[in-house]
Amino acid sequence: QVQLQQWGAGLLKPSDTLSLTCGLSGGSFRGYYWSWIRQSPGKGLEWIGEVNHSGSTNYNPSLKSRVTISLDASKTQISLKVNSVTAADTAVYYCALRGPWYDPWGQGTQVTVS
Amino acid sequence: DIVMTQSPDSLAVSLGERATINCKSSQSLFYNSNNENYLAWYQQKPGQPPKLLIYWASTRASGVPDRFSGSGSGTDFTLTISSLQAEDVAVYYCQQCYSGTWTFGQGTKVEV
Repeated sequence: QVQLQQWGAGLLKPSDTLSLTCGLSGGSFRGYYWSWIRQSPGKGLEWIGEVNHSGSTNYNPSLKSRVTISLDASKTQISLKVNSVTAADTAVYYCALRGPWYDPWGQGTQVTVS
Repeated sequence: DIVMTQSPDSLAVSLGERATINCKSSQSLFYNSNNENYLAWYQQKPGQPPKLLIYWASTRASGVPDRFSGSGSGTDFTLTISSLQAEDVAVYYCQQCYSGTWTFGQGTKVEV
């Protein structure tokens, strides 16, 4: 079955760029949206944005100015970049497939800005 | 944005007893074109990502025990665990899949 594996830097300084990657194995995400979601104690689960198989993206308006989600040419990896991070971006970041509910999820990456 | 509000924030239930979690959306999640409610429930255990339990408000995901059930329509939904097991201790979230920006409830912690 489809599995998602994510990786990236976990400790950042304020004003750095957050960069995470999520890889897909065991199938295709055609017909789904491939999403990033984050979870923090203060804001709970927060949708960041998503990309579809054609490369079309949607972003949470609250983060849109700082976020880029891109799909690689093989369509087996997506990346997340968040510019100018602050302590408020400290969270566990997840990738997940949406179609229209979220399943499966990646294992999560703790990102700390300090 | 559609606001999702869960109640209670936490509840303690004895093993074998029923647990009931409520979720209210700020607008209807019912889609007339297919007669479905765009509402999902997730279970999250410590250190793990959320796991899909219920979709279309009442359809159990693959492998989910039948002690979990979902009900409701429009703006009011309920997740019921009919007979709480020790492995059901977790935080439960509802999520609206009706329109982006996709939003989640704040979570309900279920303890024994």
